[in-house]
Amino acid sequence: DIQMTQSPSLLSASVGDRVTINCKASQNINKYLNWYQQKLGEAPKLLIYNTNNLQTGIPSRFSGSGSGTDYTLTISSLQPEDFGTYFCFQHNSWPGTFGGGTKLELK
Amino acid sequence: QVQLQQSGAELAKPGSSVKISCKASGYTFTSYYISWIKQTTGQGLEYIGYINTGSGGTNYNEKFKGKATLTVDKSSSTAFMQLSSLTPDDSAVYYCATFKGDAWGQGASVTVSS
Repeated sequence: DIQMTQSPSLLSASVGDRVTINCKASQNINKYLNWYQQKLGEAPKLLIYNTNNLQTGIPSRFSGSGSGTDYTLTISSLQPEDFGTYFCFQHNSWPGTFGGGTKLELK
Repeated sequence: QVQLQQSGAELAKPGSSVKISCKASGYTFTSYYISWIKQTTGQGLEYIGYINTGSGGTNYNEKFKGKATLTVDKSSSTAFMQLSSLTPDDSAVYYCATFKGDAWGQGASVTVSS
């Protein structure tokens, strides 16, 4: 299975900050990389699919980039509702695999 | 809009089975495959497999073969996952989701304890 390594595992930031979360795959995943946000007690929510495609209804402050094995989620200006845990997910190879998560907390 | 409504929390004994349901609404049920995902604090998120809601065809993560069985009832627009021979390691929140991942159920908690 492809291993997905997310960093950092914990990120402290303030409202208005620009933040980046990274995900590294153990092999090339050909941009088949999704990003999810999860809040406590809720299901994950799709933010970005296939590296850089913004899911309908997701604010444009979220963006994704990357290729090969290295991918990044960027939040351009952090809002209070953005705090939670973020996961990457590769669906290039079977089975799909998730990163370990990045908890984004208020500094 | 696409909605997936899962059944409630389950408390089960080791060695028993549970069957979780995922009722779809807001779209034509057979338009999207349904995936199932396991979430635990220790192991994080794990992809169990998916079912073709039209044909009933399935694809399982090797890790969950023999543990999970995915089925559908098209007449009620409901997908099911049965977990068998339960052990404490099966205690988790289980989610159903569309194959693209753009809609998820609310999760079903399964606790395995004697």
